[in-house]
Amino acid sequence: DGGITQSPKYLFRKEGQNVTLSCEQNLNHDAMYWYRQDPGQGLRLIYYSQIVNDFQKGDIAEGYSVSREKKESFPLTVTSAQKNPTAFYLCASSSRQGAFFGQGTRLTVV
Amino acid sequence: GQSLEQPSEVTAVEGAIVQINCTYQTSGFYGLSWYQQHDGGAPTFLSYNALDGLEETGRFSSFLSRSDSYGYLLLQELQMKDSASYFCAVLNDYKLSFGAGTTVTVRA
Repeated sequence: DGGITQSPKYLFRKEGQNVTLSCEQNLNHDAMYWYRQDPGQGLRLIYYSQIVNDFQKGDIAEGYSVSREKKESFPLTVTSAQKNPTAFYLCASSSRQGAFFGQGTRLTVV
Repeated sequence: GQSLEQPSEVTAVEGAIVQINCTYQTSGFYGLSWYQQHDGGAPTFLSYNALDGLEETGRFSSFLSRSDSYGYLLLQELQMKDSASYFCAVLNDYKLSFGAGTTVTVRA
């Protein structure tokens, strides 16, 4: 089946640790995105990539890093520099007409 | 940059019609899209408008006026399962930015 796979669904991290969230798509989309969503809030853009080996900062990139070594994969690293990382993280890919999302990863810092 | 405005909440009864407006400001524009998100879930794509006019997909329709930087999502024959958050999003080149969302509550 075509789609986007995010893993893990739930993630717990100790303060001061980096953690990497996985995102894989088999929709053959060029563009991929990472968003953060806090309870009751909208989606805020962290990073996006329109092509392999190229990516752009979104509106809240500080404390995050990404890579795009393959068209299918766009992993997000939440670094220890991110002061308030507990949130729902959503990955998406887009055909320009519309974006399709993974199931999301709920990250909790303990 | 981009900014989008939409109402925060709308409440309606089953069978009614709801219109969710979205106004946007952006330095470039490729299209306006709409998404539905149920509590605890991920957003799902509903519709996309690149040109002025109305796009109809079943009970949902979306409208765009590029000259007014305005669009709306029309939900017809409301059902309980339509209770969710609805987001408009603007595409500028490859940057896809979302509004804060409108919570639609459907009452029996």
